[in-house]
Amino acid sequence: DIQMTQSPSTLSASVGDRVTITCRASQSISSWLAWYQQKPGKAPKVLIYKASILESEVPSRFSGSGSGTEFTLTISSLQPVDFATYYCQQYNSYPPTFGQGTKVEIK
Amino acid sequence: EVQLVESGGGLVQPGGSLRLSCAASGFAFSSYEMNWVRQAPGKGLEWVAYIRSSGGIVFYADSVKGRFTISRDNAKNSLDLQMNSLRPEDTAVYYCARDRGYFDRNGYPMSLFDSWGLGTLVTVSS
Repeated sequence: DIQMTQSPSTLSASVGDRVTITCRASQSISSWLAWYQQKPGKAPKVLIYKASILESEVPSRFSGSGSGTEFTLTISSLQPVDFATYYCQQYNSYPPTFGQGTKVEIK
Repeated sequence: EVQLVESGGGLVQPGGSLRLSCAASGFAFSSYEMNWVRQAPGKGLEWVAYIRSSGGIVFYADSVKGRFTISRDNAKNSLDLQMNSLRPEDTAVYYCARDRGYFDRNGYPMSLFDSWGLGTLVTVSS
């Protein structure tokens, strides 16, 4: 199975900050990577797919980049609604696997 | 609007069985592959099972293979997960998730989960 490793596990930031989360795959997954946002008690929501394509209706302050084994999710200006946990997921090969999550907290 | 509503969760003893259901609406259910994804309390996400739109092809995580069975009824727009021989480590919120429906050049699924239900909690404990 492909292992996905996110860093950091927790991130403390303030409204307006630029935030970057990293996701590394244990082997190349080309660009077959998605990012999800999950708020407490809610289901995950896909933000980005194919490493850099924004899902419909996702604000443009979210962006993704990378290919191969290293990927990043960037929030250009953190908003109050963005405090949540973010997961990366590879869909290059079965089984689909997720990173352990990055919790973005209020500083 | 896509809606996925899970039901059937609850408290069950180790070794017991439970059947989860997911009612789908707002999209052409019979045209979509579907999945179950779970999340243990305070933990991350784990894919559990996949079923092709026709129901003819299924895949399972190694952790549930031989114990769980995924099925669907396209006439009723419903997805099920039969869980047998339950273990404490199966305790989780179980989500029904729609698959974006990508396939690789060999016809193997590339599962991206584009809509999720709110989940149903399964607790395995004596």
